[in-house]
Amino acid sequence: GAVVSQHPSRVICKSGTSVKIECRSLDFQATTMFWYRQFPKQSLMLMATSNEGSKATYEQGVEKDKFLINHASLTLSTLTVTSAHPEDSSFYICSASPGRELGEQYFGPGTRLTVT
Amino acid sequence: GQQVMQIPQYQHVQEGEDFTTYCNSSTTLSNIQWYKQRPGGHPVFLIQLVKSGEVKKQKRLTFQFGEAKKNSSLHITATQTTDVGTYFCAGALVGTASKLTFGTGTRLQVTL
Repeated sequence: GAVVSQHPSRVICKSGTSVKIECRSLDFQATTMFWYRQFPKQSLMLMATSNEGSKATYEQGVEKDKFLINHASLTLSTLTVTSAHPEDSSFYICSASPGRELGEQYFGPGTRLTVT
Repeated sequence: GQQVMQIPQYQHVQEGEDFTTYCNSSTTLSNIQWYKQRPGGHPVFLIQLVKSGEVKKQKRLTFQFGEAKKNSSLHITATQTTDVGTYFCAGALVGTASKLTFGTGTRLQVTL
């Protein structure tokens, strides 16, 4: 099956610092990856669509200068939370689609970010 | 913007009882997908429905897509403790390719 990895799984950082999260598709190529944010006991909120070789498409209300996305290859997308603040603490999950007709998405294990 | 609501928000059943979660979209969908997220885990794809009125079964799970392609349901027959988790529907708007809007989710608790 399709496997997506994320690194790190947990990170604690100080307010004002930046954190980079990596999302990799391990056994398939993904021209499109998605970044979600999930608060405890809530649904997944799509933050942005990451497109290989072009700029990411951000959802309304998501600051593109704060959440930098780079999709440098067909298997890697990165999300950088810049100048993190405590309110950025959340569970960040990426997903990728193998591009098959079924259109299903495979999710990474997520990254728990805590900003102190 | 598009909204996808699910009811109930939470359900607690005893093992062996049936369970149903309902999903309603404010807009017509191209397709709908269902995911399961175990506590502390990430969403795992269950199924995709594309056709109006479509019904699909996976063992004890039955998925339906409404005639108007705006609602869907997931029914679990004779729940087991392994069914514990949050079930999300996720809808794709017509013309938006693989971009999904996730429903609010239904958390299922199953006890012996």
